[in-house]
Amino acid sequence: EAGVAQSPRYKIIEKRQSVAFWCNPISGHATLYWYQQILGQGPKLLIQFQNNGVVDDSQLPKDRFSAERLKGVDSTLKIQPAKLEDSAVYLCASTPAGHYNSPLHFGNGTRLTVT
Amino acid sequence: AQTVTQSQPEMSVQEAETVTLSCTYDTSESDYYLFWYKQPPSRQMILVIRQEAYKQQNATENRFSVNFQKAAKSFSLKISDSQLGDAAMYFCAYRRSQGAQKLVFGQGTRLTINP
Repeated sequence: EAGVAQSPRYKIIEKRQSVAFWCNPISGHATLYWYQQILGQGPKLLIQFQNNGVVDDSQLPKDRFSAERLKGVDSTLKIQPAKLEDSAVYLCASTPAGHYNSPLHFGNGTRLTVT
Repeated sequence: AQTVTQSQPEMSVQEAETVTLSCTYDTSESDYYLFWYKQPPSRQMILVIRQEAYKQQNATENRFSVNFQKAAKSFSLKISDSQLGDAAMYFCAYRRSQGAQKLVFGQGTRLTINP
């Protein structure tokens, strides 16, 4: 099966600019996650979708970050305006809904550098 | 809230020898899942091994095994016959057995294999 696809692989922007990341999960996976991984740290959940509904966005900085999954398949994560501290790897993951022992399948991530 | 702690930022081992990575977690729940993920420089998170909390038997996957001590809330990873390809960041992760399926990650341990 095809894995989780993410693009772009790298992005460099200046602070106060906007940026968007795209994720296409594994076919049939109802649950999709966006994680932020700052250098030297473990990934931190930003938002979790089940189909096109938000399950958990408690750690999403909503004043600058937004995410959508309109058709319950692929998803976009946007940052506007970006800050220096947003420099990180943004990981997308997916899993079948309701399968708690099923591992998350991750994409290769997008490395964002804000200058 | 659940937390996961990895107290070893870096570890190194000679090729062909055995190394153990430590992980402790905090939860008030009795049923949950624990995972070890590997993250090579490609950034993709790869599942190494998983453990269901209700199972007393420690999980094993080829050269990888865990020591799961539920009362102590400890979940260490043992890598036997270390290979150069095992060099990576290793993350311990926790997931509840009900409700939101998100993974909570530790800070990671960087493993170096010396030839």
